[in-house]
Amino acid sequence: GQNIDQPTEMTATEGAIVQINCTYQTSGFNGLFWYQQHAGEAPTFLSYNVLDGLEEKGRFSSFLSRSKGYSYLLLKELQMKDSASYLCAVVDSNYQLIWGAGTKLIIKP
Amino acid sequence: NAGVTQTPKFRVLKTGQSMTLLCAQDMNHEYMYWYRQDPGMGLRLIHYSVGEGTTAKGEVPDGYNVSRLKKQNFLLGLESAAPSQTSVYFCASSHRTSGRENTGELFFGEGSRLTVL
Repeated sequence: GQNIDQPTEMTATEGAIVQINCTYQTSGFNGLFWYQQHAGEAPTFLSYNVLDGLEEKGRFSSFLSRSKGYSYLLLKELQMKDSASYLCAVVDSNYQLIWGAGTKLIIKP
Repeated sequence: NAGVTQTPKFRVLKTGQSMTLLCAQDMNHEYMYWYRQDPGMGLRLIHYSVGEGTTAKGEVPDGYNVSRLKKQNFLLGLESAAPSQTSVYFCASSHRTSGRENTGELFFGEGSRLTVL
């Protein structure tokens, strides 16, 4: 079967750095997405990785290792508005998106 | 720029009732999707469409029907609602994915919260 694993919940402090991990086992791989979803709102696109390595975009960075079936989302200089769920999704060999259950990130002052 | 719009945003149904959720997008996207989101689970694909007049089943299609008569609209129907269909429903759209330069990013509507009693 296909599986995406993410921690259910994480807590971090305002101004700090947090890393949210995602491991996957899918039938094929055609890219990995990270989305942010605030409570009661729609998911919004953060990043897309298809090649190994780190992609940086402002305070957010996303890393991919295809050989390890592993990705992480790194959030720097945390702000209260970063409190949200972070969803990892993998594009499989049929170009279907397989979604993780999401990681709820709680930011404390 | 409206993006993806879903109606209604909230609805309460009794078991056995029927209803239709409407999704409209103004980005001229080819692909459209209906997902449901339940606590502790990832988004699950119900049905999707790769173009006007075409639909296909996703991961959890049972109990739902869809239609894509116009490119900008994608309708999700529940013929006989069941309590197991209590969920938050998200519509999304994207450009056709072709080549590495196209990320296939999904644009989501705000969601429709459905409760079936």
